[in-house]
Amino acid sequence: DAGVIQSPRHEVTEMGQEVTLRCKPISGHDYLFWYRQTMMRGLELLIYFNNNVPIDDSGMPEDRFSAKMPNASFSTLKIQPSEPRDSAVYFCASSLWGGKAFFGQGTRLTVV
Amino acid sequence: LAKTTQPISMDSYEGQEVNITCSHNNIATNDYITWYQQFPSQGPRFIIQGYKTKVTNEVASLFIPADRKSSTLSLPRVSLSDTAVYYCLVGEASSSNTGKLIFGQGTTLQVKP
Repeated sequence: DAGVIQSPRHEVTEMGQEVTLRCKPISGHDYLFWYRQTMMRGLELLIYFNNNVPIDDSGMPEDRFSAKMPNASFSTLKIQPSEPRDSAVYFCASSLWGGKAFFGQGTRLTVV
Repeated sequence: LAKTTQPISMDSYEGQEVNITCSHNNIATNDYITWYQQFPSQGPRFIIQGYKTKVTNEVASLFIPADRKSSTLSLPRVSLSDTAVYYCLVGEASSSNTGKLIFGQGTTLQVKP
């Protein structure tokens, strides 16, 4: 298995632009998580899905952020419009059962 | 969700055993204790999970006392490559409910030659 695949690995965009991060979970996993990591705030859970349904999005910072999971093999995290304070590493993770999640390599987002 | 408290940083030398303790005074009956490891520029990686007593795998051991209000991750004979951030998580982890996976600040372990 290739593990959790995220794309792009790096993204540099200008303030105000729309950014879309993509994630392919491990096949058969029922849970998908989106995290954001910064030096100041650590690793923050933004949203997680179970069987493609959003279960808890209380960590999504504001309306500029949205996440979708149209099918079991694909999810997106969209930021529109992007701001410099959104610069961070965004991780996607998937899990089959409780507690043991597999993380992707992350997308390093820089908003200038 | 039970709050966890662990040291911000620890130093060790190669070949030593390292023990990282995590406090979780408000752990619930259905909660498991899970530890992750994160290297720079990588996502966290699952190390070990337990409910009570002792769990051991090829990477580490996890010691959980009877009251379950704390847990200790033990890394035998660390090497430089064990330098990483170690996270302790507490939450429901049954096969039917993953629930939230909330990461705290973690413990930065620095292994010196």
